[in-house]
Amino acid sequence: EGQLLESGGGLVQPGGSLRLSCAASGFTFNSYAMSWVRQAPGKGLGWVSSISGSGESTHSADSVKGRFTISRDDSKNTLYLQMNSLRAEDTAVYYCARDLNYYGSGSYYIWGQGTLVTVSS
Amino acid sequence: QSALTQPASVSGSPGQSITISCTGTSSDVGDYNYVSWYQQHPGKAPKLMIYDVSNRPSGVSNRFSGSKSGNTASLTISGLQAEDEADYYCSSYTSSSTYVFGTGTKVTVL
Repeated sequence: EGQLLESGGGLVQPGGSLRLSCAASGFTFNSYAMSWVRQAPGKGLGWVSSISGSGESTHSADSVKGRFTISRDDSKNTLYLQMNSLRAEDTAVYYCARDLNYYGSGSYYIWGQGTLVTVSS
Repeated sequence: QSALTQPASVSGSPGQSITISCTGTSSDVGDYNYVSWYQQHPGKAPKLMIYDVSNRPSGVSNRFSGSKSGNTASLTISGLQAEDEADYYCSSYTSSSTYVFGTGTKVTVL
């Protein structure tokens, strides 16, 4: 069925950068759209960014546009989220999620365990 | 993009049916059939329960069903069980080619 394993979270100062990685296994990685979803402590889910199976189409939430970049390396079966100019409000658990199809429909069938990003001085 | 509106909490007794609403706009829920529902237990990753308004992924109990009318989608849980106690979130595709989640509903089994 497949697995996703996020890494790269941690404590970073406001204005700093982090790169999250999500290693996929157990399915044909380049056949599916992928996304990042976050959840601030004690809060609800928030969509962050998505990328199509080809990697040619990406979309991001207004709150992270221009600061976060989603990308994928199909040769390494890995999804990335480059996060720059981090703010306190970016503090959250970041989940990597696999869509049900190639182009993406927001149907996240497989989720990672999440990685915590804390933005604080 | 504002979050879709869900009731903060819904409760029911074992065996009963409950329905969770998810209200959006004509730019998201009302215009697309890309509505999904997720179940999340404390400290766990979300689990896909319903996709494309009313489809169940393999392995999800048929006690869970989804529907949509206008700008409002709904998730119904029939034959409520103790294990159904969790947070539930809806999500929808939007006219901006983005996605939006609902505010979340805590389901309590009395």
